[in-house]
Amino acid sequence: EAGVVQSPRYKIIEKKQPVAFWCNPISGHNTLYWYRQNLGQGPELLIRYENEEAVDDSQLPKDRFSAERLKGVDSTLKIQPAELGDSAVYLCASSLGTGSYNEQFFGPGTRLTVL
Amino acid sequence: AQSVTQLGSHVSVSEGALVLLRCNYSSSVPPYLFWYVQYPNQGLQLLLKYTSAATLVKGINGFEAEFKKSETSFHLTKPSAHMSDAAEYFCAVTEIQGAQKLVFGQGTRLTINP
Repeated sequence: EAGVVQSPRYKIIEKKQPVAFWCNPISGHNTLYWYRQNLGQGPELLIRYENEEAVDDSQLPKDRFSAERLKGVDSTLKIQPAELGDSAVYLCASSLGTGSYNEQFFGPGTRLTVL
Repeated sequence: AQSVTQLGSHVSVSEGALVLLRCNYSSSVPPYLFWYVQYPNQGLQLLLKYTSAATLVKGINGFEAEFKKSETSFHLTKPSAHMSDAAEYFCAVTEIQGAQKLVFGQGTRLTINP
């Protein structure tokens, strides 16, 4: 069974440029998460989807970040415009359900460097 | 609000020695607790989880953790370290009754000396 797929793996951009990250969750997983992991820190949740609905986006900086999950499968996270402080690893995860006992499976992440 | 504190951002042990990674949590409600491992340039992989059943939880790769409510701790141990255990380890907490919103600690980097 394929795991969570993310692309690109690495992205280098200049500040004020837009950037987008793509995630394909494990087949059948209706819950999808985007996390940001700053260097030397644990991941922090940005947004959680249940199917195509964003049910928790309280930590998403909405002035520059946006996300979508069309058809409740793949998801895209966008930053426009990027700032120096956005340099981090962006992790996507998926789970079979939303209960606290459901394991989250993580993708390898996209490492973003903003110059 | 829930939080997790991992004592020691970097732990170094010799191959074959005991591994002990410390995690203390703060939660106003009964928690679920998790340990994840992250190898370089990879995503997080679940090692083990506590879900209010047995307080001693066994995970993959010979790791185990014990939930101690009186100490609000969930320390991770392995009797004998292997070179392949070198990685970053994260403790995380979530509320039993809520949807799975994981709150992670800052991580502990484990180095194994030959």
